[in-house]
Amino acid sequence: DAKTTQPNSMESNEEEPVHLPCNHSTISGTDYIHWYRQLPSQGPEYVIHGLTSNVNNRMASLAIAEDRKSSTLILHRATLRDAAVYYCIHGAQKLVFGQGTRLTINP
Amino acid sequence: EPEVTQTPSHQVTQMGQEVILRCVPISNHLYFYWYRQILGQKVEFLVSFYNNEISEKSEIFDDQFSVERPDGSNFTLKIRSTKLEDSAMYFCASSEALRASLNQPQHFGDGTRLSIL
Repeated sequence: DAKTTQPNSMESNEEEPVHLPCNHSTISGTDYIHWYRQLPSQGPEYVIHGLTSNVNNRMASLAIAEDRKSSTLILHRATLRDAAVYYCIHGAQKLVFGQGTRLTINP
Repeated sequence: EPEVTQTPSHQVTQMGQEVILRCVPISNHLYFYWYRQILGQKVEFLVSFYNNEISEKSEIFDDQFSVERPDGSNFTLKIRSTKLEDSAMYFCASSEALRASLNQPQHFGDGTRLSIL
């Protein structure tokens, strides 16, 4: 199974940017990088995905390193509702969840 | 925005009994999945389903488990003879990928909490 490495936890303040890192050194050339998050008592929620180029959507931005061995999820202005566990995933067909990064947002 | 719905939200069952968990995927999606999450642990893949057959299954998905798409809208997970260790949150997901590739996001329901007594 594809392996990723993320910090166990991070903390930030409301309305500040948050940069969540992920290492995926075993990624293959055709694997997309996906980010999901899981809010308390909910199912995982898709955030963003990309292959090589940086990506933006209404929720976040994804910055992918040139060698594709790491990526960073960027929340531009964190809100209290962004407090969740964030998962970085790559691979084929199924999603293999690691422990993710538990993000705490301080008011 | 369309969403994946799961019923019931909480199911309590005696050990050894059969249980069926139900999911209604997003209507134009073609791939369907079940995952589970034991309390305090990681989300684990169980099975993927496409074109009325299993595409991939994990080691967890043994002979006690089965999946079915009985009609055009529902997708079910059956556990034949439940065990205490089957207690978990079970999440259904769907995606619109035409092929088994990971470039389409999966959309998850909010899960069914299964409690085995």
